[in-house]
Amino acid sequence: QVQLVESGGGVVQPGRSLRLSCAASGFTFSLYGMHWVRQAPGKGLEWVAMISADGSNNYYEDSVKGRFIISRDNSKNTLYLQMNSLRAEDTAVYHCAKGSGVAWYFDLWGRGTLVTVSS
Amino acid sequence: EIVLTQSPGTLSLSPGERATLSCRASQSFRSNYLAWYHQKPGQAPRLLIYGASSRATGIPDRFSGSGSGTDFTLTISRLEPEDFAVYYCQQYGGSVTFGGGTKVEIK
Repeated sequence: QVQLVESGGGVVQPGRSLRLSCAASGFTFSLYGMHWVRQAPGKGLEWVAMISADGSNNYYEDSVKGRFIISRDNSKNTLYLQMNSLRAEDTAVYHCAKGSGVAWYFDLWGRGTLVTVSS
Repeated sequence: EIVLTQSPGTLSLSPGERATLSCRASQSFRSNYLAWYHQKPGQAPRLLIYGASSRATGIPDRFSGSGSGTDFTLTISRLEPEDFAVYYCQQYGGSVTFGGGTKVEIK
């Protein structure tokens, strides 16, 4: 079954860290760039980060640069997002999304995992 | 940053009616790199259209995309019950940004 399943969300205090995972199945994970996209409660979608198929290149939205790290393990078909120095405004559902392979639109999404940053 | 403005914010229609959703960009971007998604509560977004007018795999032909430059449109020719959802446009011609969404609700 072609799917992406996120995990690792939860409630965390401001300034602390959290690591999200995204397990991929049903397609050749190592051939595709992967992304994280977040959605604050009741709000729209915001792109967060991208990693190339082989993991050699990554890109970040300005507000998370220097705080978040995207990585992948192609042997485990898993995408990660290490989130450090978390802020209240990082509260959101975090979706992983599969890149199309050619351009940065997303042809498969996971349901997401909720991260709540609160004291 | 390219800002996408979607209108209307909410569209109230009945099954069988035609829906027309607008997405306007603050500046033009590369090669009509525009996609449309819909999302139902608690579910993952689903890709409908890419390249402004190409339907994604498995998307029925009642969905069509059009437009160029800074003005784009998603048309649903005859609304089915499963089409009531929130619709987002996304540009990928200059980094990535999304519109704020249009909710298509049952009248």
